[in-house]
Parts: sequence; C-alpha cells; structure tokens
Amino acid sequence: QSALTQPPSVSGSPGQSVTISCTGTSSDVGSYNRVSWYQQPPGTAPKLMIYEVSNRPSGVPDRFSGSKSGNTASLTISGLQAEDEADYYCSSYTSSSTLIFGGGTKLTVL
Amino acid sequence: EVQLLESGGGLVQPGGSLRLSCAASGFTFSAYGMSWVRQAPGRGLEWVSSSSSSGATTYYADSVKGRFTISRDISKNTLYVQMNSLRVEDTALYYCAKNLGVRGVKDPFDYWGQGTLVTVSS
Repeated sequence: QSALTQPPSVSGSPGQSVTISCTGTSSDVGSYNRVSWYQQPPGTAPKLMIYEVSNRPSGVPDRFSGSKSGNTASLTISGLQAEDEADYYCSSYTSSSTLIFGGGTKLTVL
Repeated sequence: EVQLLESGGGLVQPGGSLRLSCAASGFTFSAYGMSWVRQAPGRGLEWVSSSSSSGATTYYADSVKGRFTISRDISKNTLYVQMNSLRVEDTALYYCAKNLGVRGVKDPFDYWGQGTLVTVSS
C-alpha cells in the first residue's frame, strides 16, 4: 500500500497560518476517523499532535487543529512560531488492519 | 513519567537475525497496545508492527510479514520484535511506541522511545 500523500514542504512567517494536507483513499483516510498527526523536530522522536482527525492530546497548543473531508485530512497551524519548525507526518488506519504514514512535510518558519 | 527504552540494535549481515527490546515504565504495560515504527536514514516514518494490550492480537506491515515477530512479556514490562531474514532495506532507526488505547494498530502513538539503530550490511 502506498504512503499517504503530503506536500514535501510548506512555509510561513511567524504569526501566519499554514495548512498541511494528507491525501489517502477510500480504504484508509476516507473510511476511518483514525487519522493522526505527528511533529518531529530534527534529531528527535515524533510527538503526537492530533488524533482521531481533530483531537488534541493534553499539552498540545490549541494553535494546532485537524480536519477531514473525504479522502483528505488536514493539519492547520495558526499563529506560527519558530518552535513549530519540524517535519510533520500524518497516519491513518486502513481497511487491511494496518497503519500507513504520509511521506512527511517539512515546515519552515521564515 | 512514561519511559520507553529500546535496545538490541546493531550491525548485522543480510539474512541475519536480531531481537530488539523495549523496556517500558511509568504506566500499566498490560493495559495498552504497543508498536514498532521505523525510520530509514533521511526518510519518513514507516509502521512495522503492533500488539494488542494482551499480546493476543498482532499486526504487521506487508514489508515485514513472515520475517518479524512482535511479542511482549508483561511480567518484565518489555516489548520485543524478533527480526529474521534481514534485508538491506530494513536498515533504520527502530522506535518503540505506546498506543493510546488497547488495540494497538487502530490507536495513535502517544509516547515514543528514542530509538535503536539497525544496520543491515555486508
């Protein structure tokens, strides 16, 4: 099964908003609300930012939000801060009882 | 505080075997699914395998099915993955991750270890 499709890179200035898309198929993103988003700064382990499409774990700022429409999920980061610069990965449960990640998106804060 | 400490990585020849361990602490190990996720150098994340909280149900990526076996020892609060018939493309940093719920593969990863590096090369 191919990876979910994410843009390789996005950028924004401090204070702006950016949205990262994650496109799958009707066998994964489109059929399940089991989409998660992870933040991975260079050289560190990933951190859970959003789960079940739009839920934030305790401690994650409300500047991070998630949504889904059809086969595409999205992560929006508002009020960009320098510390948000990192790689972001989406993931989804699939109809094959497996988990699939997106290829990752590098966020640059200008 | 949840802690996950992986060990067992190293250099192995193609066709060889390796067993990774993940010592867990700071939570009730038997109450949560656990998983392995890997990341090849300079590449993205790839899910490898998950175990339900009891260990009775396991899940594998197609790329490792039939070669890797996930297991857990609840008495030792430790997760394992036995990796056989290793290939060059299995070279990666292997992360142990705790699932938010009991099922494993359906649940997000709310805690991650720092990873252990596996290098498959002749």
